[in-house]
Amino acid sequence: SQTIHQWPATLVQPVGSPLSLECTVEGTSNPNLYWYRQAAGRGLQLLFYSVGIGQISSEVPQNLSASRPQDRQFILSSKKLLLSDSGFYLCAWSNSVNQPQHFGDGTRLSIL
Amino acid sequence: AQSVTQLGSHVSVSEGALVLLRCNYSSSVPPYLFWYVQYPNQGLQLLLKYTTGATLVKGINGFEAEFKKSETSFHLTKPSAHMSDAAEYFCAVMPVTSYGKLTFGQGTILTVHP
Repeated sequence: SQTIHQWPATLVQPVGSPLSLECTVEGTSNPNLYWYRQAAGRGLQLLFYSVGIGQISSEVPQNLSASRPQDRQFILSSKKLLLSDSGFYLCAWSNSVNQPQHFGDGTRLSIL
Repeated sequence: AQSVTQLGSHVSVSEGALVLLRCNYSSSVPPYLFWYVQYPNQGLQLLLKYTTGATLVKGINGFEAEFKKSETSFHLTKPSAHMSDAAEYFCAVMPVTSYGKLTFGQGTILTVHP
């Protein structure tokens, strides 16, 4: 069966520090991959999606970037974190464009 | 562009009572529709989905939802609430022409009282 892993589960970072969140999927090949952010009291906002290795689409302009160095690996990064980057970050995958997305357990990011 | 409106950010019911969480969508063409549940500090879990076919879909944990095209609605129901149903519920739409991109509603927090 397919599984998705995100780490770390929680992260506290100072303003201006770099960020790297990792997401990996097992049990499937060539998944579509997604990064969402869920801010306190708000819904989920799609940040990036990828339909293949090296293919990244950004949904909103922001301080973050994403990369997909391997088929089942999706990385969310920042060179300098802002206070507004705080939130709950969720990675998701689907095995085709019209199938449900399946979510990881998320990373709680707090910026101090 | 599509949008999703969940009526009521908070819904409170008694254990054993009917659960009704409302979702309306706006889309130029009928989209695929989903309901997800999120427990505190966890990811989202798929409850049910509508793509094509029967408009009444059944999901996990006794939940079901009915797609009503004329009303552009996809309300979630459960006949009898259980304490374990307390969570946040998200309705989401996926246009059939998208790259699988989901647009979520703002979520409804369900509280179940004993």
